[in-house]
Amino acid sequence: EPEVTQTPSHQVTQMGQEVILRCVPISNHLYFYWYRQILGQKVEFLVSFYNNEISEKSEIFDDQFSVERPDGSNFTLKIRSTKLEDSAMYFCASSEALGQGNTEAFFGQGTRLTVV
Amino acid sequence: DQQVKQNSPSLSVQEGRISILNCDYTNSMFDYFLWYKKYPAEGPTFLISISSIKDKNEDGRFTVFLNKSAKHLSLHIVPSQPGDSAVYFCAASATYGQNFVFGPGTRLSVLP
Repeated sequence: EPEVTQTPSHQVTQMGQEVILRCVPISNHLYFYWYRQILGQKVEFLVSFYNNEISEKSEIFDDQFSVERPDGSNFTLKIRSTKLEDSAMYFCASSEALGQGNTEAFFGQGTRLTVV
Repeated sequence: DQQVKQNSPSLSVQEGRISILNCDYTNSMFDYFLWYKKYPAEGPTFLISISSIKDKNEDGRFTVFLNKSAKHLSLHIVPSQPGDSAVYFCAASATYGQNFVFGPGTRLSVLP
């Protein structure tokens, strides 16, 4: 069964450092997302991406964050200068469509980011 | 501004009984609703969905009911099994929206 894969599973970084979280969405999916879940809190939307551009982003997704689809398979989230409060589980997701035809998003296993 | 609410943070049910998880939403533009199950240290796993043109969708032990006028949906699991113990998230999307909005989750414990 196709799945969304994320690497690494756990990333520890020092405050102020840049991190790149990587995702390989399901191959025939067109929409890609990043969500995060701070420990004990809800799953929060960060950004959605379609047709090689950001289609929507939340207030959390400020200038420190960027996304990229550098090739036909990877979808990355970059945090330029990490802060302690960026520590969270980051989930990548993909879906076949959104809007034109309702469909579910499939999530990866997540990357646990720990900023120290 | 909680657009999707799950007012019960936790629920305990005896094995074999029915589990009913509730979800309320405020945004009338939402027209597609999903339930996800999440185990610790794993990503959310899609369970079942329902479009706003329906009021019920069933898949095996899982049934989702939608009451549009009340902006309320519920997930019924019957019979409940210990392996169902997880956090359940309700999520919603709008036809011209660009993301899924998640509720805070309900932790279900199914007791043997």
